[in-house]
Amino acid sequence: GAVVSQHPSRVICKSGTSVKIECRSLDFQATTMFWYRQFPKQSLMLMATSNEGSKATYEQGVEKDKFLINHASLTLSTLTVTSAHPEDSSFYICSALDAGTYEQYFGPGTRLTVT
Amino acid sequence: GENVEQHPSTLSVQEGDSAVIKCTYSDSASNYFPWYKQELGKRPQLIIDIRSNVGEKKDQRIAVTLNKTAKHFSLHITETQPEDSAVYFCAASQGDSGYALNFGKGTSLLVTP
Repeated sequence: GAVVSQHPSRVICKSGTSVKIECRSLDFQATTMFWYRQFPKQSLMLMATSNEGSKATYEQGVEKDKFLINHASLTLSTLTVTSAHPEDSSFYICSALDAGTYEQYFGPGTRLTVT
Repeated sequence: GENVEQHPSTLSVQEGDSAVIKCTYSDSASNYFPWYKQELGKRPQLIIDIRSNVGEKKDQRIAVTLNKTAKHFSLHITETQPEDSAVYFCAASQGDSGYALNFGKGTSLLVTP
């Protein structure tokens, strides 16, 4: 299957700072990527749909000014958690969409801890 | 977003037995239904998917059935093995775009030798 990478895999930051997470599609061009967060032993919650060259589409209840998404190229989407707070601590996973098959290929996730 | 309900939340079976996980969805426009397996600390991996124009799909020991009228779909694993132990998530596409997914809460499957 296709390969999607995320960086960093783990990050610890202080409350009030911003953190950027990168999601890269390594072997195919993805016009659409998705960002999820997953709490321990819980499901994946879709945060937003990232579209190359246009604004992201956010799910209800997700603050677009807090979770900034940029999809500047067909292989890279970034999620920036601005002014992070401890309640933002979570596992963030991205996926890249193969528009031909509808299949989403997931990245390995980023563990964010805000102290 | 639209709801996807998944049951059971935990399932324990003996090696060789079958396991069935059921999901229901509320968005009548959903047309793509994948199932993902997630092992501890790892990324979700697609194991099987089904589209709304098909009622059943099988891949070796894994099968998925879909009832669009009732808005439910199920995962069937036969001849379970210990390595099948993981968390399984069902998902349904949002609307008819076939792209964004709403996930169920997951089923933790344990296969005991």
